[in-house]
Amino acid sequence: AQTVTQSQPEMSVQEAETVTLSCTYDTSESDYYLFWYKQPPSRQMILVIRQEAYKQQNATENRFSVNFQKAAKSFSLKISDSQLGDAAMYFCAYRSEQGAQKLVFGQGTRLTINP
Amino acid sequence: NAGVMQNPRHLVRRRGQEARLRCSPMKGHSHVYWYRQLPEEGLKFMVYLQKENIIDESGMPKERFSAEFPKEGPSILRIQQVVRGDSAAYFCASRQGGNQPQHFGDGTRLSIL
Repeated sequence: AQTVTQSQPEMSVQEAETVTLSCTYDTSESDYYLFWYKQPPSRQMILVIRQEAYKQQNATENRFSVNFQKAAKSFSLKISDSQLGDAAMYFCAYRSEQGAQKLVFGQGTRLTINP
Repeated sequence: NAGVMQNPRHLVRRRGQEARLRCSPMKGHSHVYWYRQLPEEGLKFMVYLQKENIIDESGMPKERFSAEFPKEGPSILRIQQVVRGDSAAYFCASRQGGNQPQHFGDGTRLSIL
């Protein structure tokens, strides 16, 4: 079974600075997807960014980018120019390309933005 | 195009009662997932359904929990004889076919007195 590990329960960053959230995963599959979701206090689950495992190029969405290291099974999220609205829980998630395509989530990292 | 709609947003039940959580997927989405989030934890998969069929229920507790996605109407997650440990946020997600991403509803927070 696949597992996802987020080793940083909490992180904080100064507004306008850059922060990196870590995520590692374990799988024997070669084709899969990886995601970062944001969960603000409202508890909505907001998709931040996704990465297809077959793509070597790291995904980027505006201020959000990932560092995908397939051999190391690492998938970190970098947030540039941090804003107060970025404060939230961030969840890394794995999804197989086969079968039910259910999401496997990490435990989450609580990100605080200091003004 | 409306997003995934879950209701109620908050549900309070006493121990032993039944809880019914509803999820209307996005228009055109025929794949529905239910996840449970315990306090201070990540979401855990419960069940995956397509219209009128349960495809994968490997994350469902063996007793008291059931799910359906009828031909007409929303998907329902039903919890019978609720206990304190059922208190959690329950999220529904839907997607189109292929490798499209899942879109989440706002969740139902279930509290058991």
